[in-house]
Amino acid sequence: DIVLTQSPATLSVSPGERAALSCRASQSIGINLAWYQQKRGQAPSLLMYGASKRATGIPARFSGSGSGTEFTLTISSLQSEDFAVYYCQQYNQWPPITFGQGTRLEIK
Amino acid sequence: QVQLVESGGGVVQPGGSLRLSCVASGITFSSYGMHWVRQVPGKSLEWVAFIRKDGSSQNYADFVRGRFIISRDNSKDTLFLQMNTVRPEDTAVYFCANDSGSRIFDSWGQGTLVTVAS
Repeated sequence: DIVLTQSPATLSVSPGERAALSCRASQSIGINLAWYQQKRGQAPSLLMYGASKRATGIPARFSGSGSGTEFTLTISSLQSEDFAVYYCQQYNQWPPITFGQGTRLEIK
Repeated sequence: QVQLVESGGGVVQPGGSLRLSCVASGITFSSYGMHWVRQVPGKSLEWVAFIRKDGSSQNYADFVRGRFIISRDNSKDTLFLQMNTVRPEDTAVYFCANDSGSRIFDSWGQGTLVTVAS
């Protein structure tokens, strides 16, 4: 199974600043990586797919990069609504489809 | 707008059974593969099972294979998860999600909580 490791576990950033979240795969997954945002008490929602493609309706301040085993989700200027938990997910090799353990983005 | 609504969660004893449902609206249900994903509160997400759009094929995570069955009724726009021989470690919120076509979870339901306890 492909293991995804996200870092850091918790990231404290001030509104308006930039945040960079990392996801590392245990083996190469090409660009078959998606990112999800989960706000407290809500279901996850799709943010990015194909490592760098924004899902419908996702603002341009969200960007994704990487390929192979190293990936980054960047939020260029944090808004209050961006403070949430973010998960990466690989779909290159399945079953099983696997997720990272999540990064909690909190207000500094 | 896509809406997925799960139901059927509750408290079940270890070794018991439970059937979850997920009703879809706002999409042509029969055009999408569907997944179940679970989440222990405060923990990460775990993929549970997938069924192709026509129901012809199913895939399962190792930890539920042989115990859980995913199925669908396209005439009723409904996805199911039959949970048998449940264990305390199956306690989680269970989400249904539609597949974008590439094993990406496009839209999610709000989840239904399953608690396995005596």
